[in-house]
Amino acid sequence: DTEVTQTPKHLVMGMTNKKSLKCEQHMGHRAMYWYKQKAKKPPELMFVYSYEKLSINESVPSRFSPECPNSSLLNLHLHALQPEDSALYLCASSRGEFIDSPLHFGNGTRLTVT
Amino acid sequence: AQSVSQHNHHVILSEAASLELGCNYSYGGTVNLFWYVQYPGQHLQLLLKYFSGDPLVKGIKGFEAEFIKSKFSFNLRKPSVQWSDTAEYFCAVPGLPGNTGKLIFGQGTTLQVKP
Repeated sequence: DTEVTQTPKHLVMGMTNKKSLKCEQHMGHRAMYWYKQKAKKPPELMFVYSYEKLSINESVPSRFSPECPNSSLLNLHLHALQPEDSALYLCASSRGEFIDSPLHFGNGTRLTVT
Repeated sequence: AQSVSQHNHHVILSEAASLELGCNYSYGGTVNLFWYVQYPGQHLQLLLKYFSGDPLVKGIKGFEAEFIKSKFSFNLRKPSVQWSDTAEYFCAVPGLPGNTGKLIFGQGTTLQVKP
C-alpha cells in the first residue's frame, strides 16, 4: 500500500462550492507535488513544494490554491471549479526536488464537478 | 524541451508471452528515466529507474529496462507476463534537467494480459 495518504478518495462538488483535498506523508520527504490525471491520460504536474515553499506552479488557474502547512502535509483548496476540472488528483512526495529520488504517489482523489 | 513518447498504446498478450514496451525520449541534460505502473484502481508505483551506471536496470516484479543512449530509448521488458501485469504503464523523464519531481509522462501503454 502507498505511504502517501490522500483524503477524500472521492469528492463531488458544485461549481460554487469550496472544498479542500488533503495529502499526508511521514517518510521525511521534503518535496511534495500535485498532479492532475484525466481519464486515459498521463498525469500532468500542477504544483511543486520544496521545503514547504512553492517551487513550481505550472500556470494552474487560481481556482486551485495549494498550501503546505508543514513538511508532512499538502492541501489543495478548490473554489469555483468548472466541470472540465473533473479528474483524478494525485499527490506525490520525494526526498527532494533535485535529488535522484523517485516520486511516491498517493491513491488520488477522484473529483467530479457538477 | 524534454519529451517522452510511447509507441504502443494498447497491447494485448496471452499469459507467458514476452513483453517489450517502447519508450523514446528527448532530453537535454543528465539522463534520468523512469517506468511507472498503474494497476486498476491503484496508485502509480515505480517499476524501475535509471540514473547512471549499468544501462540494464532491473525493477520489481521481474521487469527490466535497457537504456540505449544511441537510440534515445528505454524500453521495458518482461520475459513472461502474468494476468496480474494487466495495467497502465508510463515512461517518464524529468521536465527540467536534474528535477526528478517535475516528471513528464508518456501517453501510457495499456497492457491487457489474457489468462
